[in-house]
Amino acid sequence: GDSVTQMEGPVTLSEEAFLTINCTYTATGYPSLFWYVQYPGEGLQLLLKATKADDKGSNKGFEATYRKETTSFHLEKGSVQVSDSAVYFCAHSGYSTLTFGKGTMLLVSP
Amino acid sequence: EAQVTQNPRYLITVTGKKLTVTCSQNMNHEYMSWYRQDPGLGLRQIYYSMNVEVTDKGDVPEGYKVSRKEKRNFPLILESPSPNQTSLYFCASSSRGPGDNEQFFGPGTRLTVL
Repeated sequence: GDSVTQMEGPVTLSEEAFLTINCTYTATGYPSLFWYVQYPGEGLQLLLKATKADDKGSNKGFEATYRKETTSFHLEKGSVQVSDSAVYFCAHSGYSTLTFGKGTMLLVSP
Repeated sequence: EAQVTQNPRYLITVTGKKLTVTCSQNMNHEYMSWYRQDPGLGLRQIYYSMNVEVTDKGDVPEGYKVSRKEKRNFPLILESPSPNQTSLYFCASSSRGPGDNEQFFGPGTRLTVL
């Protein structure tokens, strides 16, 4: 069945470090791919998305590229800030459902 | 302000006592859904609704009911809650089905069943 696998956390980085959070998926057809972020005590909010192969989604310095050949959608940021500390969820969509990975907690220290 | 609201935000109850968690959106969205979030398991979909009067099961529907009588409201009903339904619950909505559409999430309801 459809699934999303993302690296386990927590990922612990110092401020200004480079971030990569890996995400791979299995799905039928060509789903849209998403990264959602959950700040402490809040609901999820969309960070970025890509709707077709080779699309790059970007927002707030984060980027991810839809790689059909490797079924991946890795999240990257060149220089993280303390305020980026949150849980990050990779997801892919079907017609009626959205399938999430288990989430990766990111902790950024000053 | 465009938003999804859930009530209550926190609830402690006992096994078997029926409860309802309300969800309302003010964006005229057609699609609404419920998720539960558990440590190590991520978000799992409970039920979804493509439009008024149309609902369907997600991945973990057992022990839950929903209704969609109006476009804006999508309550989650636990007829006889059990401790394994202790979880963090999120309601979400989007203009249409997931497809390439952004899901808007409520702030969450933390439920404890004793």
